[in-house]
Amino acid sequence: KQEVTQIPAALSVPEGENLVLNCSFTDSAIYNLQWFRQDPGKGLTSLLLIQSSQREQTSGRLNASLDKSSGRSTLYIAASQPGDSATYLCAVRRSGGGADGLTFGKGTHLIIQP
Amino acid sequence: NAGVTQTPKFRVLKTGQSMTLLCAQDMNHEYMYWYRQDPGMGLRLIHYSVGEGTTAKGEVPDGYNVSRLKKQNFLLGLESAAPSQTSVYFCASRQGPLYEQYFGPGTRLTVT
Repeated sequence: KQEVTQIPAALSVPEGENLVLNCSFTDSAIYNLQWFRQDPGKGLTSLLLIQSSQREQTSGRLNASLDKSSGRSTLYIAASQPGDSATYLCAVRRSGGGADGLTFGKGTHLIIQP
Repeated sequence: NAGVTQTPKFRVLKTGQSMTLLCAQDMNHEYMYWYRQDPGMGLRLIHYSVGEGTTAKGEVPDGYNVSRLKKQNFLLGLESAAPSQTSVYFCASRQGPLYEQYFGPGTRLTVT
């Protein structure tokens, strides 16, 4: 059974710092990995999607990397801003047979201090 | 283009009552999903559909039923609500397995 772990569970940093969020998964047989942000009481907003054949994806100040063989992904946030405060979720879609859908980590709760 | 919408946003049920949650998407996506989110558990897949008229079980399907009679709608039913079904329910959709998954705003359900 696929398990997704996110470290740290919570992180508080001053504004302007660069930071890295970590995601690991136990089964490397994945189609892709998706990073989301979730604001309190809201739905999930997709940030980046990395296919299994890709090593990284970039969108603005965000960069996500994927090392499928080691079961790891990182989300790098450059020049953090208070508006980046949210919970960040990592999710993988398995390849091969079995149920579709994403397997989620429990998230990293990020606070950017002004 | 509204994306994924969910109805209702909030609901309180008594144990044993039934209800249906409605998910609608206007992106012509083939795949649709229902998840529940609980503190300390993360999001877990309840049921999903890979096209109109199809449904399949996810990780936690017990106590729920679903229907996909129209491509744009995916309904989640609770036949006899239990307090353990108190949760936030999210609907999601995507065009195919290699595409991004888009989420609705969620329905907060409390069963007393």
